[in-house]
Amino acid sequence: AQKVTQAQTEISVVEKEDVTLDCVYETRDTTYYLFWYKQPPSGELVFLIRRNSFDEQNEISGRYSWNFQKSTSSFNFTITASQVVDSAVYFCAPPDFGNEKLTFGTGTRLTIIP
Amino acid sequence: NAGVTQTPKFRVLKTGQSMTLLCAQDMNHEYMYWYRQDPGMGLRLIHYSVGEGTTAKGEVPDGYNVSRLKKQNFLLGLESAAPSQTSVYFCASIAGGAGPEAFFGQGTRLTVV
Repeated sequence: AQKVTQAQTEISVVEKEDVTLDCVYETRDTTYYLFWYKQPPSGELVFLIRRNSFDEQNEISGRYSWNFQKSTSSFNFTITASQVVDSAVYFCAPPDFGNEKLTFGTGTRLTIIP
Repeated sequence: NAGVTQTPKFRVLKTGQSMTLLCAQDMNHEYMYWYRQDPGMGLRLIHYSVGEGTTAKGEVPDGYNVSRLKKQNFLLGLESAAPSQTSVYFCASIAGGAGPEAFFGQGTRLTVV
């Protein structure tokens, strides 16, 4: 079974600061995917990124970047030059290929202070 | 294209009452999931289904039942509601396998008094 740990429960930063959200995962699979989802104050859940375990390149999308490191079982998410609109709860998720479950970490609540 | 639609959006129940939450998806997805979200607890998986006619237990299945009689619909039932089931419920669907991303409904806020 897959498991993720998001040790940071809440983070607050001042606007324009960079912030990194941590995600540490456990898996016995050799092939797996990892995801990040965002839940803004409006409540809906939005897909941000999927990472295949074979691809260890960092990914950048605008102000967002993801650092995947198999050696430390981490898939961290960095927001550069944060904005108030980035305030949300962010969830890391590792689907379980064997059981087809999709479970989530407890999430990190990010607050950007204007 | 509606995606994933949950019905109802809000509901207040009295302890002991029963109700069914409906999740409908129009993307022909194979896998569907029900979660509950409580403050500080993240999203916890209640039940899920990997295809029409199949269901399986998640992390917190007690007090809930589900059915997937049609591929596009996944029903979550509470037979005898309890205050501990006050929560926000989310439904999600995935095309198939563990690779594709999940699409979520807008959530159902349930209060049991």
